[in-house]
Amino acid sequence: KAGVTQTPRYLIKTRGQQVTLSCSPISGHRSVSWYQQTPGQGLQFLFEYFSETQRNKGNFPGRFSGRQFSNSRSEMNVSTLELGDSALYLCASSLDPLDGGYTFGSGTRLTVV
Amino acid sequence: KNQVEQSPQSLIILEGKNCTLQCNYTVSPFSNLRWYKQDTGRGPVSLTIMTFSENTKSNGRYTATLDADTKQSSLHITASQLSDSASYICVVSPTSGDQFYFGTGTSLTVIP
Repeated sequence: KAGVTQTPRYLIKTRGQQVTLSCSPISGHRSVSWYQQTPGQGLQFLFEYFSETQRNKGNFPGRFSGRQFSNSRSEMNVSTLELGDSALYLCASSLDPLDGGYTFGSGTRLTVV
Repeated sequence: KNQVEQSPQSLIILEGKNCTLQCNYTVSPFSNLRWYKQDTGRGPVSLTIMTFSENTKSNGRYTATLDADTKQSSLHITASQLSDSASYICVVSPTSGDQFYFGTGTSLTVIP
């Protein structure tokens, strides 16, 4: 059974650019959530999608956006990149979003220079 | 304010020794609590999940305990191995279906 797949694994962008990260959930999982992880802040919730609808959103600026497709695959977009956006971006999928049973991908390491 | 605090922030132990990691939370109402292990450069992997009514849950050398009255949980690692070196993250889920609350993790280093 394939796990959660995130692409690309590593990414280097310059300030002001935009970036799109991709997440393919476990087959059958309809809930996908995104997290930013930095050494100082730990894991922070970005947003969660369920059946193509955004259910929850964390406290991040509007530069961070996402969407989910009919096949449950999800993308996250960050526009006008800032140095502080450098982080590990993790995606997690779940069969039942209410029981906390998320399976995480290995993440995309974004470096903004 | 819903918060999850973990201690210690970092820990170094000798291979073969036991250790206990702590998680205190203020999330209410409470649905379940998970412990995740995160190896460097990888995504977190679930170790245990406990609901309100459970006190102890084991997964091999990992044993989690929960005291819902005091809102405390601990993760005990027995006979540590070098591969236990990782960050351990406590995650609390409220019953409302809101976002989950993450602790900042404990970084464990096991040395030979």
